[in-house]
Amino acid sequence: AQKVTQAQTEISVVEKEDVTLDCVYETRDTTYYLFWYKQPPSGELVFLIRRNSFDEQNEISGRYSWNFQKSTSSFNFTITASQVVDSAVYFCALLNTGGFKTIFGAGTRLFVKA
Amino acid sequence: DAGVIQSPRHEVTEMGQEVTLRCKPISGHNSLFWYRQTMMRGLELLIYFNNNVPIDDSGMPEDRFSAKMPNASFSTLKIQPSEPRDSAVYFCASTLQASSYNEQFFGPGTRLTVL
Repeated sequence: AQKVTQAQTEISVVEKEDVTLDCVYETRDTTYYLFWYKQPPSGELVFLIRRNSFDEQNEISGRYSWNFQKSTSSFNFTITASQVVDSAVYFCALLNTGGFKTIFGAGTRLFVKA
Repeated sequence: DAGVIQSPRHEVTEMGQEVTLRCKPISGHNSLFWYRQTMMRGLELLIYFNNNVPIDDSGMPEDRFSAKMPNASFSTLKIQPSEPRDSAVYFCASTLQASSYNEQFFGPGTRLTVL
């Protein structure tokens, strides 16, 4: 079975704090893709990153970084020095090779207070 | 590029009425998805089109829901008759080629309220 679990329903931090959003996935496939999307208050989901299962290198993009660990089936997302504009719902998602159906987690709502 | 365009952005209707949601995917994208988002069920895939052909509609809740893609630049999702439990945000998303595992580009969504 394919499943994405985002155990944190809501997280609240104060601006400039670092915050990590957890994502744990389940799949029987050996090749797959993982994604993170951001849904700001405006509502539209925005793609942040894609990672394939063969690439376990961590990635950094500005204040955003992602930690992919196949051994623990996790693909965690860290925001460094959070800002109010980071307030949004963040979704982790899984797509198996050969498939088209992206499985989304339930999302984590992040509140960043000034 | 204008991105994925959806209309209307908001729709309020009464139970029993027909509702039609519209989507224009990004030009050149050949895969299109309709999703429904609710607090209780999160993001649910309703139907997936590839090259205008419906590939998987297993997520369509029931016969009251139907979707069409008459050409590469237009798709509709119709609910007839609508019920209060259909109230949700409906998203359309497109991607260059679903089989290439590209990211999806989402429209702004249509917030549907059925009274």
